[in-house]
Amino acid sequence: DSGVTQTPKHLITATGQRVTLRCSPRSGDLSVYWYQQSLDQGLQFLIQYYNGEERAKGNILERFSAQQFPDLHSELNLSSLELGDSALYFCASSDRPNTGELFFGEGSRLTVL
Amino acid sequence: GQQVMQIPQYQHVQEGEDFTTYCNSSTTLSNIQWYKQRPGGHPVFLIQLVKSGEVKKQKRLTFQFGEAKKNSSLHITATQTTDVGTYFCAGRVDSNYQLIWGAGTKLIIKP
Repeated sequence: DSGVTQTPKHLITATGQRVTLRCSPRSGDLSVYWYQQSLDQGLQFLIQYYNGEERAKGNILERFSAQQFPDLHSELNLSSLELGDSALYFCASSDRPNTGELFFGEGSRLTVL
Repeated sequence: GQQVMQIPQYQHVQEGEDFTTYCNSSTTLSNIQWYKQRPGGHPVFLIQLVKSGEVKKQKRLTFQFGEAKKNSSLHITATQTTDVGTYFCAGRVDSNYQLIWGAGTKLIIKP
């Protein structure tokens, strides 16, 4: 158990819809990362937050947005969903913004039909 | 842009054979991390290498960081079924400390 909690574990929705994925980092970790992993693919970095502020942005689509709240939990919002958005979305946390290991949650599997 | 190339994409081995995956960065790294993702699981941190030429061992796993801090390797001796999964390297770039991920190497044990 990494200490990172993601909900929901599975989500099935239709094209055009909007979903929100939630992540609670390990206790004390200020940095949260979001990654997308399509079937049997690598990890695509989406966005990083540190203590509520956006720290770095990767290949995140304009249809996607995220935020980190004062209690340090984070949400990833995916809108106008397309079939190609079907993937595993991982949240990871670390205690430092630029160094240290990442602790990953178990992921949220999104299926867009 | 900055990237980390990881090869091979897949490696099929007989149980008991060795396995090696290589990562090569286009730029100097401040450190490199290795993660393992079991089938159906999430990436789990294995180790971080920081120093030029560093070699670290964890039981049957040997991790190396190149002298120029641009390449790294993970070698598994005498693979076991528990080693099955995808191994990712992730390097931190000196300039902005962002993690650049390799594409992963999937270790498959032949039946």
